[in-house]
Amino acid sequence: ILNVEQSPQSLHVQEGDSTNFTCSFPSSNFYALHWYRWETAKSPEALFVMTLNGDEKKKGRISATLNTKEGYSYLYIKGSQPEDSATYLCAFIDSSNTGKLIFGQGTTLQVKP
Amino acid sequence: KAGVTQTPRYLIKTRGQQVTLSCSPISGHRSVSWYQQTPGQGLQFLFEYFSETQRNKGNFPGRFSGRQFSNSRSEMNVSTLELGDSALYLCASSLGFTNYMAGNTIYFGEGSWLTVV
Repeated sequence: ILNVEQSPQSLHVQEGDSTNFTCSFPSSNFYALHWYRWETAKSPEALFVMTLNGDEKKKGRISATLNTKEGYSYLYIKGSQPEDSATYLCAFIDSSNTGKLIFGQGTTLQVKP
Repeated sequence: KAGVTQTPRYLIKTRGQQVTLSCSPISGHRSVSWYQQTPGQGLQFLFEYFSETQRNKGNFPGRFSGRQFSNSRSEMNVSTLELGDSALYLCASSLGFTNYMAGNTIYFGEGSWLTVV
């Protein structure tokens, strides 16, 4: 059974704080790692697709890094805003079954004004 | 361009009935996959279709089935509904079969909320 773990489970920060979350995945058979942002009643929004060890991706105030050898990815949010409040999901793709996203349980971020 | 469209958005069914959910992928996308979201289990993979062929299947009973049409639209069917099938069903689409395109972004619809009573 392939496990994808995310931590923390939830996070409450003040507007302007910077924050980061962790996604841990199996270090063998890596194919890709996806990050999504999911707001209630909306569709999960694709943030990043990461495929290479050492990848660093950035989208506005959000960035992500990838370490496939040790099996983790970090998502950073700089200067959190109330509109960043959402659940952030990571999803791992194993190279032996590339049609399937294996999701973590998510990190729920609440940014207080 | 239009995103992934799922219908119906909300539905209530009785135990023992069957249900069909529909998904229209982003134009040009040929891969469609389905996921189930329940509070206790998170997002679980159901199946993936590419060019009308099921490429992958998750660990769900045979009551869960799907198909893809020549225009890439997909349907999933759940027969003999059980209370535990109450969930959000999400459809996702991407350009190609992920064996060949690791960097493909996979886009999700808003989902179909199924309640079984």
